[in-house]
Amino acid sequence: DTAVSQTPKYLVTQMGNDKSIKCEQNLGHDTMYWYKQDSKKFLKIMFSYNNKELIINETVPNRFSPKSPDKAHLNLHINSLELGDSAVYFCASSQGRWEKLFFGSGTQLSVL
Amino acid sequence: AQSVTQLDSQVPVFEEAPVELRCNYSSSVSVYLFWYVQYPNQGLQLLLKYLSGSTLVKGINGFEAEFNKSQTSFHLRKPSVHISDTAEYFCAVSSNSGGSNYKLTFGKGTLLTVNP
Repeated sequence: DTAVSQTPKYLVTQMGNDKSIKCEQNLGHDTMYWYKQDSKKFLKIMFSYNNKELIINETVPNRFSPKSPDKAHLNLHINSLELGDSAVYFCASSQGRWEKLFFGSGTQLSVL
Repeated sequence: AQSVTQLDSQVPVFEEAPVELRCNYSSSVSVYLFWYVQYPNQGLQLLLKYLSGSTLVKGINGFEAEFNKSQTSFHLRKPSVHISDTAEYFCAVSSNSGGSNYKLTFGKGTLLTVNP
């Protein structure tokens, strides 16, 4: 069983569209994250949820809206996609603030 | 604010040679330090972490790192690399107070390429 799974793996879409990426973890962790990795491999946190509560919200455009229906799921919805949104988006989870992060395999988003 | 600098964007080495990947951090409070590895087309995996105690930390796959507070460094080393160690390596820092409790700040990564 995959510990942190995200779907889809690839997402190709046109500018202006709305899309969602789903993430699920079966590790029983209480904290989940979304990270964005740009074309230069730079990895930056976007959001973090702890027990369904938003605890980190970096300077991310309002077009990005995370939703956590329960502590095992953290979805990312993106409105009005722009060319600059093209990146690899990683979901991750952890149990406790100092324990290791478990990453999903990423969703490569390409906006045309 | 905390930050991480990985001094080398690419490090090519030959198989069975030793390697050191450099990482320096800055933070106004005590820090926790991590090294993650990303193999091609995969998510990141934790190699090792320093939280407290011994400054020499051993991780998976024969890697180790040494925390040096006076030099604000956390360099990653392996005495003999394999082709399979070819990957992107990320240093990360997390402080233990304030609003950054749950946040890891990553460096820009070092691509380690092991050649036969």
